[in-house]
Amino acid sequence: TQLLEQSPQFLSIQEGENLTVYCNSSSVFSSLQWYRQEPGEGPVLLVTVVTGGEVKKLKRLTFQFGDARKDSSLHITAAQPGDTGLYLCAGRASGTYKYIFGTGTRLKVLA
Amino acid sequence: EADIYQTPRYLVIGTGKKITLECSQTMGHDKMYWYQQDPGMELHLIHYSYGVNSTEKGDLSSESTVSRIRTEHFPLTLESARPSHTSQYLCASTATGTETQYFGPGTRLLVL
Repeated sequence: TQLLEQSPQFLSIQEGENLTVYCNSSSVFSSLQWYRQEPGEGPVLLVTVVTGGEVKKLKRLTFQFGDARKDSSLHITAAQPGDTGLYLCAGRASGTYKYIFGTGTRLKVLA
Repeated sequence: EADIYQTPRYLVIGTGKKITLECSQTMGHDKMYWYQQDPGMELHLIHYSYGVNSTEKGDLSSESTVSRIRTEHFPLTLESARPSHTSQYLCASTATGTETQYFGPGTRLLVL
């Protein structure tokens, strides 16, 4: 069974601080996605990475896919209260269109 | 803006009742998914479909069933609801050749 472990599980920081969330697995994925979910809503896609070593930036968010395509990280620079939410990574194994979701990181940014 | 809809948004029912959770998308996506999510936790895949008349069970054992008679419609049915079914159910869809899953707003189910 493929598993995606996220760390940390919970994170509470002050506005303006930087943070990194990790998504790790022993399995190789064809692609990996990051989502953010607000309470009472479905997850919303932030980014998809498909190439080992790939780095993508979305304003203050930087995403990296590991060289071996087994892990990924999300770095937020100068966090804002609007970044508060549940961050989920999801991986797709080769030859399938099933997505395995990570254990989630609940982020709270205090003003 | 994602065009994927779920009804009802909230449902409180008694044990033993039969319920159907509706999911529809107007994007013409061939792949559709049902996930179960407890509050603040990860999503578990319970059913998926690669197209009309194609349905498969996911990784999480579920007593629910699904059907895919039309591309846009992917309902999930619980024949006899139990308190252990209390959870949030999320529907998603994606098009072949893309990686983006579009999620509906979810149905929060409470079985008393």
